[in-house]
Amino acid sequence: QQQVKQSPQSLIVQKGGISIINCAYENTAFDYFPWYQQFPGKGPALLIAIRPDVSEKKEGRFTISFNKSAKQFSLHIMDSQPGDSATYFCAAIPAGGTSYGKLTFGQGTILTVHP
Amino acid sequence: ETGVTQSPTHLIKTRGQQVTLRCSSQSGHNTVSWYQQALGQGPQFIFQYYREEENGRGNFPPRFSGLQFPNYSSELNVNALELDDSALYLCASSMTGFSEQYFGPGTRLTVT
Repeated sequence: QQQVKQSPQSLIVQKGGISIINCAYENTAFDYFPWYQQFPGKGPALLIAIRPDVSEKKEGRFTISFNKSAKQFSLHIMDSQPGDSATYFCAAIPAGGTSYGKLTFGQGTILTVHP
Repeated sequence: ETGVTQSPTHLIKTRGQQVTLRCSSQSGHNTVSWYQQALGQGPQFIFQYYREEENGRGNFPPRFSGLQFPNYSSELNVNALELDDSALYLCASSMTGFSEQYFGPGTRLTVT
């Protein structure tokens, strides 16, 4: 019930295109949904995050769409650039209970943006 | 503002040995979480420390233990190393257990 499922595993996009990564979760106790970007040999960097009382959040070229009833959320990267090539992880964290503070990550999506 | 730092960067140990990894939290943060990231996988939660006390633990055996110090820096100790312990160990700090977690660069541990 703690699992977060992420798709696709890998994604190839042309420069200027839109990259879309999807995640689904089971645990309704999840109350905060961040996205992380990770380059090889580096730690994950927080990109953007959303709480379930909001259906969409936009920061620059990055947008999270959130569907609470379907228990799904997605990351859209507009005008994708070669510098966006990295591994992207969705994650979720519960507001309380025994898993308080525990980030549960998806399996990751390797994004490649071709010039 | 100083970000999360970890040491050492890389480490090679032999099966059965013990290892200590260190983390300095971001300025103003009092919570540290540790994660293990195997190659090609997402990070897995090991445990979290808040004000020097363990505040939650993932599915890791007791040979994984930790400490948090009064300055909120932290250590991860792993005893009786196994080959499967080879991974990137990540430390993340946050203002509370529930707020945004910021990761350090990680320590790459190789067990031979």
